[in-house]
Amino acid sequence: TQLLEQSPQFLSIQEGENLTVYCNSSSVFSSLQWYRQEPGEGPVLLVTVVTGGEVKKLKRLTFQFGDARKDSSLHITAAQTGDTGLYLCAGADIGGGSQGNLIFGKGTKLSVKP
Amino acid sequence: DAGITQSPRHKVTETGTPVTLRCHQTENHRYMYWYRQDPGHGLRLIHYSYGVKDTDKGEVSDGYSVSRSKTEDFLLTLESATSSQTSVYFCAISRDPQEPQHFGDGTRLSIL
Repeated sequence: TQLLEQSPQFLSIQEGENLTVYCNSSSVFSSLQWYRQEPGEGPVLLVTVVTGGEVKKLKRLTFQFGDARKDSSLHITAAQTGDTGLYLCAGADIGGGSQGNLIFGKGTKLSVKP
Repeated sequence: DAGITQSPRHKVTETGTPVTLRCHQTENHRYMYWYRQDPGHGLRLIHYSYGVKDTDKGEVSDGYSVSRSKTEDFLLTLESATSSQTSVYFCAISRDPQEPQHFGDGTRLSIL
């Protein structure tokens, strides 16, 4: 069974701090996506990374795909209260595992306090 | 935002009753998915569809059935609801199984 392990599971920080969330697997992914989910809503796509070593920036958010395409990280600089939410990573297994469907991590619940 | 509508948004029902949740899309995407989301378990795939009348089981399909008679509609049915099926259910769509998915806003289902 393919797994995407996310860490930490919970994170509570003060506004202005930096943080990093990790997404790790033993599987190789053809692409990896990051989503953010707010209470009462569905997940919303933030970014897709495709190439090993790729770095993408979305304002204060920096996403990196590992060289071997087995892991990814999300770094938030100077967190704001609006960053609060559940962050999910999802991978497309290059071996076609999980019936070719995306594999989701369990998420990191981020709380940014004023 | 992708045009995905889930109905109802909230439902409370009793054990043993049938329940049907509807997902409607206006994007003409081929793939549609039903997930349940529970604390500590994340998103778990129940069933998915890769075309009209083409469906397959996901990770947690026991106790659920689906139907897709039109491209735009994907129905999830709990034939005889149990308390363990209390959850938040999300529908998602995509053009391809390995492409990003677009999610609806979910249905909160409580089975008493």
